[in-house]
Amino acid sequence: DQQVKQNSPSLSVQEGRISILNCDYTNSMFDYFLWYKKYPAEGPTFLISISSIKDKNEDGRFTVFLNKSAKHLSLHIVPSQPGDSAVYFCAASINSGYALNFGKGTSLLVTP
Amino acid sequence: EADIYQTPRYLVIGTGKKITLECSQTMGHDKMYWYQQDPGMELHLIHYSYGVNSTEKGDLSSESTVSRIRTEHFPLTLESARPSHTSQYLCASSGGQGAIEKLFFGSGTQLSVL
Repeated sequence: DQQVKQNSPSLSVQEGRISILNCDYTNSMFDYFLWYKKYPAEGPTFLISISSIKDKNEDGRFTVFLNKSAKHLSLHIVPSQPGDSAVYFCAASINSGYALNFGKGTSLLVTP
Repeated sequence: EADIYQTPRYLVIGTGKKITLECSQTMGHDKMYWYQQDPGMELHLIHYSYGVNSTEKGDLSSESTVSRIRTEHFPLTLESARPSHTSQYLCASSGGQGAIEKLFFGSGTQLSVL
């Protein structure tokens, strides 16, 4: 039973525009959420996180929004760059420090 | 930059062979994990360890086994590889400070069993 869902397998955005990647979760016990970025044949690298006590966290071009009532979070990348092309995984955990539950990922392609 | 290493990066092996995937980290993290990922699918947790001599099975049933004799080392073993074991295996560790513990991943081992 998949508890973290990324319903868009792929997304294509023009360079300079905003990329919005979405993630839904079913387990209301999740209180920590993270986004990871993965290039082919490499391991995922941490991008940005948010705890359930916040509804927004920003780090440079990356912003994560959390809507607890809708059990939904989104990652905004502004402006998008070709180097952002990768697979983005949404992940969630119950209590920080425990194993993460991952979504299936969204493949982002940023075109020049 | 995280210091977690996996070897080999790629492994092609015949059915029935015994294999060990190596994972080492130099960050002194207590917690280590093995995830399995197939293309287009989520990462599935197959094993985890919260310290030396502590290992637990993850959410996804796996025929592999792990050991944690030293903090820095968390190898995964398949006694008899089968084609169904073909997948990418990702090792991770965590244990840093801060409100949210981030997992640091190795580069992964792409295993192909013929």
